[in-house]
Amino acid sequence: NAGVMQNPRHLVRRRGQEARLRCSPVKGHSHVYWYRQLPEEGLKFMVYLQKENIIDESGMPKERFSAEFPKEGPSILRIQQVVRGDSAAYFCASSPADGNSPLHFGNGTRLTVT
Amino acid sequence: QQQVKQSPQSLIVQKGGISIINCAYENTAFDYFPWYQQFPGKGPALLIAIRPDVSEKKEGRFTISFNKSAKQFSLHIMDSQPGDSATYFCAASGGYQKVTFGTGTKLQVIP
Repeated sequence: NAGVMQNPRHLVRRRGQEARLRCSPVKGHSHVYWYRQLPEEGLKFMVYLQKENIIDESGMPKERFSAEFPKEGPSILRIQQVVRGDSAAYFCASSPADGNSPLHFGNGTRLTVT
Repeated sequence: QQQVKQSPQSLIVQKGGISIINCAYENTAFDYFPWYQQFPGKGPALLIAIRPDVSEKKEGRFTISFNKSAKQFSLHIMDSQPGDSATYFCAASGGYQKVTFGTGTKLQVIP
């Protein structure tokens, strides 16, 4: 019974390139959250998606960032034209329902922009 | 109104002691209060959770105390061990509202 799978675990991009982060939720989970974490800091909410729908993207920058959770396949967090300030750990979490269900987290993708 | 305030930011406890982390929330629509534990290089993992119909929940050495009228809840780790050294996040959610996390507490248990 696989948990949340995120890939790649580590991603190095040069400034201006695109970063694509993938998240496969727990089988049967239809809710996905993306969080960003800087070293020694907390979890910053980015976006909350349900299958094929963005429920809440209030934490995501309007420029360069997008997320999707298609009917088939993993959820994708896409960062275009990366800058050094995008370097962080990005965590995906899934849950079977909204609100009061526990979140299952992946082990994150550590993005380094050089 | 969406905030969850967590304190302290960091905590050093001797082995065998009690670790206490506190959280306060504002949104009365929240009805699920989990705690997550995160080790370096890993994602957070659910530790224990409580719903507001009870004032306390205990699982092994971990206890959540919940005060609905004060809108506060806390995590107590009894007989703290070096293996408990991690970052702890409280959280709150309810209904269609996204999960809101506290800012985290870095716990260090020293031998």
